[in-house]
Amino acid sequence: DIQMTQSPSTLSASVGDRVTITCRASQSISTWLAWYQQKPGKAPKLLIYKASSLESGVPSRFSGSGSGTEFTLTISSLQPDDFATYYCQQYSDYSGFGQGTKVEIK
Amino acid sequence: HLQLQESGPGLVKPSETLSLTCNVSGDSISSSSYYWGWIRQPPGKGLEWIGSIYYRGSTNYKSSLKSRVTISVDTSRNQFSLKLTSVAAADTAVYYCARHVKGGYSAYPFDYWGQGTLVTVSS
Repeated sequence: DIQMTQSPSTLSASVGDRVTITCRASQSISTWLAWYQQKPGKAPKLLIYKASSLESGVPSRFSGSGSGTEFTLTISSLQPDDFATYYCQQYSDYSGFGQGTKVEIK
Repeated sequence: HLQLQESGPGLVKPSETLSLTCNVSGDSISSSSYYWGWIRQPPGKGLEWIGSIYYRGSTNYKSSLKSRVTISVDTSRNQFSLKLTSVAAADTAVYYCARHVKGGYSAYPFDYWGQGTLVTVSS
């Protein structure tokens, strides 16, 4: 199975900050990577697919990059609604998720 | 507007079978473009894909769960179901149903999700 490792596990930031979350795959997954946002008690919401394609309706402050084994999710200017947990998902070989990165208020 | 809704018992005894159903409304489950999947999330932990099904009945399962999982589809009722046998405390989780684009055997990104249902395994 392909292992997905996110860093950091927790990130403290302020409104307006630029935030970057990293996801590493244990083997190359090309660009078969998605990012989700999850708030407490809610289902995850798809933000990014194919490593860098923005899902319809997602604000443009979210962006994704990377290929092979290393990927990043960037929030260009953190907004109050963005405090949540973020997950990466590989879909190169079946499917697997990272362990999550919680973005909390500094 | 597509909606998915999970239903089933919230409490299951150890060694028994967990059974959940996902009712799909707002679109046909028989769409040729999509698979329908199950994902779970233990309390306070991350997401785990369980498996997915196409409306014609073809399935893909996570390898570590394959021996215990069956996903089935009922196109006449526009719903699909999950059965997980021989459950233990480690199977306690919020179970989500969701939709993803058809793409080989991989579970492509999930674009629509149910609200999730908590299933607790306890005697």
